[in-house]
Amino acid sequence: QKEVEQNSGPLSVPEGAIASLNCTYSDRGSQSFFWYRQYSGKSPELIMSIYSNGDKEDGRFTAQLNKASQYVSLLIRDSQPSDSATYLCAVSEEGFQKLVFGTGTRLLVSP
Amino acid sequence: ETGVTQSPTHLIKTRGQQVTLRCSSQSGHNTVSWYQQALGQGPQFIFQYYREEENGRGNFPPRFSGLQFPNYSSELNVNALELDDSALYLCASSRRSGISTDTQYFGPGTRLTVL
Repeated sequence: QKEVEQNSGPLSVPEGAIASLNCTYSDRGSQSFFWYRQYSGKSPELIMSIYSNGDKEDGRFTAQLNKASQYVSLLIRDSQPSDSATYLCAVSEEGFQKLVFGTGTRLLVSP
Repeated sequence: ETGVTQSPTHLIKTRGQQVTLRCSSQSGHNTVSWYQQALGQGPQFIFQYYREEENGRGNFPPRFSGLQFPNYSSELNVNALELDDSALYLCASSRRSGISTDTQYFGPGTRLTVL
């Protein structure tokens, strides 16, 4: 059973702080890694994708991947109350687009 | 907005009934995947359709079935509804099947409640 593990939270950070979200996965064949943001009652929205070891930055968001440790993380700099949502980590293997999701980490950013 | 649309938005059914959910993919996308998201859980892969054929299936019973049409829109059918089928059903479209790096864009979802 391929698994993706996330701490369910909530992770509480003050406005302006860095939020760090973590994810581990069990399948070493995983090739593609995604972070989706999901507001309550809404559908998932893609925030970042990462395919190679190292860091990938996009605005206030940085995704980090370490395939040897089977670990992927998302850093949100200068957190805003509008960032309060559930963040879903998802992985897929080469040649197949099935996404395996974690249960999500709920982030709360207080003003 | 992703350009993926789903209908209906909400649906209430009773146990044992059948339901059909619909999805229109984003322009230029030929692959549609369906996911079930129970409350407090991450989405779970049901199946994927590419060029009108099922192209991979998750751990769901045969009473979950689907179709894809020539215009790449898709339907999810669930027979003999059970209480545990109550969930948010998400459709995601992507440009190409089999390319793991290809982003899947989600529609707004259909909230199904089974009483």
